[in-house]
Amino acid sequence: KQEVTQIPAALSVPEGENLVLNCSFTDSAIYNLQWFRQDPGKGLTSLLLIQSSQREQTSGRLNASLDKSSGRSTLYIAASQPGDSATYLCAVTLLNYGQNFVFGPGTRLSVLP
Amino acid sequence: GAVVSQHPSRVICKSGTSVKIECRSLDFQATTMFWYRQFPKQSLMLMATSNEGSKATYEQGVEKDKFLINHASLTLSTLTVTSAHPEDSSFYICSARLGGSKTQYFGPGTRLLVL
Repeated sequence: KQEVTQIPAALSVPEGENLVLNCSFTDSAIYNLQWFRQDPGKGLTSLLLIQSSQREQTSGRLNASLDKSSGRSTLYIAASQPGDSATYLCAVTLLNYGQNFVFGPGTRLSVLP
Repeated sequence: GAVVSQHPSRVICKSGTSVKIECRSLDFQATTMFWYRQFPKQSLMLMATSNEGSKATYEQGVEKDKFLINHASLTLSTLTVTSAHPEDSSFYICSARLGGSKTQYFGPGTRLLVL
């Protein structure tokens, strides 16, 4: 059974810092991995999608990497801003699971002004 | 981008009552909709997958007689929590997918509190 974990569970940093969020998954037979942002009382916003054949994806200040063999992904946020404060979720889509997501528990990020 | 709405955004009910949550795709036809549940500080867990016009497929451990899902049209799916109990208090999120697409669009979620 696929399990997804995220470290740390919560993180508080001053504005301007670069930071890394970690995601681990137990079964490397994934179709893709996706990072989402979840704001309180709102739905999920997709940030980056990495296909299983890719190593990384970049969008603005965000960079996500994928090491499928070791079951790890990282989300790098450069020059953090207070507006980045949210919960960040990692989710994998399995090859044999109808392309449904298995989510991690999330990392709650607070960027202090 | 595609928009998915949920109604209500927040609901409080007494134990033993039933609660209906609606999930609508506003600008596209969703052949498949998904219902997730998220307990505090835990992952989103898939509850069930529903395809328009057919019965929902429930994940292991989810009681289909308690969580009734109806996907009667291409833009609307409903989740009814029957005889709700305090342990059903959770954040329920739906997502919708256009047929043939791999992209799921998520709703804003509904917070249910059962007293």
